[in-house]
Amino acid sequence: GNSVTQMEGPVTLSEEAFLTINCTYTATGYPSLFWYVQYPGEGLQLLLKATKADDKGSNKGFEATYRKETTSFHLEKGSVQVSDSAVYFCALSDTDSGYALNFGKGTSLLVTP
Amino acid sequence: DAMVIQNPRYQVTQFGKPVTLSCSQTLNHNVMYWYQQKSSQAPKLLFHYYDKDFNNEADTPDNFQSRRPNTSFCFLDIRSPGLGDAAMYLCATSKTGIEAFFGQGTRLTVV
Repeated sequence: GNSVTQMEGPVTLSEEAFLTINCTYTATGYPSLFWYVQYPGEGLQLLLKATKADDKGSNKGFEATYRKETTSFHLEKGSVQVSDSAVYFCALSDTDSGYALNFGKGTSLLVTP
Repeated sequence: DAMVIQNPRYQVTQFGKPVTLSCSQTLNHNVMYWYQQKSSQAPKLLFHYYDKDFNNEADTPDNFQSRRPNTSFCFLDIRSPGLGDAAMYLCATSKTGIEAFFGQGTRLTVV
């Protein structure tokens, strides 16, 4: 079955530091990959996505590249801000599972001034 | 304008008393999902519909049922809520696996 594994948190960084959150996946088909963000007390919002190998998703300074050879979709940002503090979820969906959208366990990020 | 609407936002139910949570969408998406999210945990997929096809996750308890009478509406029925079922329940929709849109969730309390 499909699954997503992402690095454990919490991650604490100083403002303007470089961020990497690792995500690897297992899928039987040809998945689309996503990063969702959840701010405290709010629902989930799509941050970025990639639908095929070598695609790079980007949004708000965040980037992730769909690497089929390493089954990875690591999230990066060159300079984090305090406002980036949230929980980040890696997720995948594919045709073989009828587009079930499965999430990793989430990584909590805290950015300090 | 809200595109995925969950009602109610907060629901309190008694132990063992059936409860229904509702979700509606204005996006005309063919896929609808129900998730359970407990505090500080990832959303756990309970089931999803691809058009009218119902897909139940293998580890979803029989206590949880769902109905999708039409494209716009989807319901989550908990037949006999236990204390362990207290959680945030999230509904989401997508157009064939592309970006999923989430509702604000219903927080269920079991007393």
